[in-house]
Amino acid sequence: SSELTQDPAVSVALGQTVRITCQGDSLRRYFVSWYQQKPGQAPVVVMYGETNRPSGVPDRFSGSSSGMTSSLTITGAQAEDEADYYCCSRDSNGDRVVFGGGTKLTVL
Amino acid sequence: QVQLVQSGAEVKKPGASVRVSCKTSGYTFTTYSVHWVRQAPGQRLEWMGCVNGANGYTKYSQKFQGRVTITRDTSATTAYLDVGSLRSEDTAIFYCARERELPRGSGIYLFDYWGQGTLVTVSS
Repeated sequence: SSELTQDPAVSVALGQTVRITCQGDSLRRYFVSWYQQKPGQAPVVVMYGETNRPSGVPDRFSGSSSGMTSSLTITGAQAEDEADYYCCSRDSNGDRVVFGGGTKLTVL
Repeated sequence: QVQLVQSGAEVKKPGASVRVSCKTSGYTFTTYSVHWVRQAPGQRLEWMGCVNGANGYTKYSQKFQGRVTITRDTSATTAYLDVGSLRSEDTAIFYCARERELPRGSGIYLFDYWGQGTLVTVSS
């Protein structure tokens, strides 16, 4: 079982705000990164170090963290945001990488 | 520009082994680690392990330890993933990804570049 827990699926109406969460004990100690994956494509980083957005990622994407929960928020979701989103961090021992189970985002 | 280009699709029989390569370019190979991630059809991303580009040190997920070997060739700026004792459940896309610490020493990591993925099909 994954050490990082995500909701399997979330939906949002076009233009509305959605929060995708990731829970795990290791998040109290280690930073999280978030990856967007569209069908047939490799993952792409959309957030790292909780709140850092890579260049080229729209500013409607933001990140936050509190305790053992990290969140990726999309403010004003667009149709092109429909994808699978994975959180990623270190495991409890800090020396290995772990991915969350992924959240399938549907934009209605 | 940074590129990670993986070898082509493979079809293997159960019990066989497979090697997937990840040819990197556009950056100093020894400055970064290369990680491998597996994704079975319709399933989640699974971290398999990584190799330090500078010293060749490796780490593996406990799930794959003993069946997977990750190596690198600095002169070829290429990382390799060897998976042995293949079974049908290993049918998956395997990705390599470069890990960056940004800023250096911060403990903030990201996979900033990914290979295109290599489909390995295990079937009798």
